[in-house]
Formats: sequence, structure tokens, C-alpha cells
Amino acid sequence: KAGVTQTPRYLIKTRGQQVTLSCSPISGHRSVSWYQQTPGQGLQFLFEYFSETQRNKGNFPGRFSGRQFSNSRSEMNVSTLELGDSALYLCASRAGGSSYNEQFFGPGTRLTVL
Amino acid sequence: QKEVEQNSGPLSVPEGAIASLNCTYSDRGSQSFFWYRQYSGKSPELIMFIYSNGDKEDGRFTAQLNKASQYVSLLIRDSQPSDSATYLCAVSIYGGSQGNLIFGKGTKLSVKP
Repeated sequence: KAGVTQTPRYLIKTRGQQVTLSCSPISGHRSVSWYQQTPGQGLQFLFEYFSETQRNKGNFPGRFSGRQFSNSRSEMNVSTLELGDSALYLCASRAGGSSYNEQFFGPGTRLTVL
Repeated sequence: QKEVEQNSGPLSVPEGAIASLNCTYSDRGSQSFFWYRQYSGKSPELIMFIYSNGDKEDGRFTAQLNKASQYVSLLIRDSQPSDSATYLCAVSIYGGSQGNLIFGKGTKLSVKP
């Protein structure tokens, strides 16, 4: 079974621009969660989508948004980029029917904001 | 503020020794607990999860959970240089109903040949 895929793998943007990241979950998985990883803050939850609906959201500004399509693929958008948005953005896939919330991560998108 | 705490390390052990990684969490209602391994420049990889008090073994790995003490640990037996990585402890407060995991900042493990 193919794993979680994310595109692009690397991205360089300048302040004020916007960016869209894409995630395809494991086949059959209906939930996609997004996380931001930085050296200072570690891994922090951004939001989760399940069956095209945002299920919950972490403590990030409204510049961070996402959506999920009917095939469970998800996109994350960051508008008006700031230097502090430089990070590794990870998406995680889970089946959604599990009681235990085990999640499987994609390879990540490394975003650099100049 | 729901928190997960780990000693940042580095934890250095000789090859063949037992590595012991520890994690404490603040929310007493936490339901399931995960250990991820992250190699430098790579994404986290799920090693194992545990949800009931006691020990859970998988190969060279044993996870231990003590909900009364709000404490989770991971033991790695017969440590190998390939085990050198950062180990992330994660907690799910809502079980399977919501996807947000709360992560500790990780413990860096170095296994010396």
C-alpha cells in the first residue's frame, strides 16, 4: 500500500506571498491532519480534515487554512507569508475508524520564507 | 495548556545496551500514547502506541504506560547505531474522535558502536 505523499517537497517563497501545499493520504484513509515542525516549537497541530470537513483546528492565525477533496486529498494554504512560517509542514493520514488515533506521516514539505 | 514533556538529551548509550526514553503529560484525560522515531531530515515514523496501563512489547521495543503518574516510557533493547534518531512522544486526548496529537519536543538518542 502506498504511503502518504506530499508535494512539493521543497519550496522557497518571499514574505507576503502565499503558498499551497498538497497531501494525498494512504488509500482508504479519510482523515488528514496537518502539522508544522520548527526547531523551537517542535511539532504543532494545525488542523484536521475528515470527509471534506474541518474537524478541529490548532492555535494558528487565520492565514493558515486548508481543505479536503472528495478523494481525501488535502491542501493547505498559507497567505501573506512571514519569515516565521519557515518550517517543515507535515501531513498525517489516519483511517478515521480507529479508536486510538494512530497517524502516519508523509515526507513533508520544507518551506523557506525569505 | 496541554503539555507533553521529554528530556531533550542527547542520550548516549553504547551499542547493545538498553536505551530508556521518558515522557510525562499534563492532561489526565489523555487516552492514547505514541512513540515516533525521526531521523535527521526525515519525517516521523510511528514505532508503537499504547493505551492501557502496563507494558506493550514489539520486537526490541517496549512501551510502558502509567496513567496514575501520567508517565510513558520507551525501552529499546540491544540498541543499534541505526537507532540513533530523535524519539517523539505524542498524546491523543480525544482518542479516535479527533486527529490532533500533542507532541513533546523529542529526545535525541545516540548509540555509540
